[in-house]
Amino acid sequence: QSALTQPASVSGSPGQSITISCTGTSSDVGFYNYVSWYQQHPGKAPKLMIYDVSNRPSGVSNRFSGSKSGNTASLTISGLQAEDEADYYCSSYTSSSTRVFGTGTKVTVL
Amino acid sequence: EVQLLESGGGLVQPGGSLRLSCAASGFTFSSNAMSWVRQAPGKGLEWVSGISGSGDNTKYADSVKGRFTISRDSSKNTLYLQMNSLRAEDTAVYYCAKVVSYDFWRGEDYWGQGTLVTVSS
Repeated sequence: QSALTQPASVSGSPGQSITISCTGTSSDVGFYNYVSWYQQHPGKAPKLMIYDVSNRPSGVSNRFSGSKSGNTASLTISGLQAEDEADYYCSSYTSSSTRVFGTGTKVTVL
Repeated sequence: EVQLLESGGGLVQPGGSLRLSCAASGFTFSSNAMSWVRQAPGKGLEWVSGISGSGDNTKYADSVKGRFTISRDSSKNTLYLQMNSLRAEDTAVYYCAKVVSYDFWRGEDYWGQGTLVTVSS
């Protein structure tokens, strides 16, 4: 199972919106609506930000939103803040009944 | 409060074995699937294995299939990962994580702090 494809880096100024893409295939991202997104700060464990494509766990800011179109899922961060600077990973259920993560995106707040 | 505490990591020679444990608390252990996810030094996340709430459904990444075994003991609220025939490329921080539902396809909402496994001679 190949890793899902994410841009290596995305940057934006405070207050701006950015979008991170996550491209897979019809055997993973396009297969079910089971895409999740994680935020990871250096030296820390990942934190779930979005699950089931667009659901936010309790306690996660509504500045984070998720969507999907075909084989590509997206995470949008609106009103970018300094604390949003981190690595972000997508993950998807696959038709082989396994899970796969994305390659990861480093978000930089300018 | 949900807590996940991994243990069992360390230095092991290539070809050796290691068993990781993850003690869970703060939720009904058998109600949620669990996952093991690893992260090699300076690299991204890699899903390793998942197990359903009852333990009767397990899945593995191709990279570890046939070498690793995931299991759980509901009487001890503990998740395990038995790792055999270890290779240098298995070197990583291994995270135990709680899945949001009974089956392991919906994402992990709580994570342990991770335990480092180093495979080297």
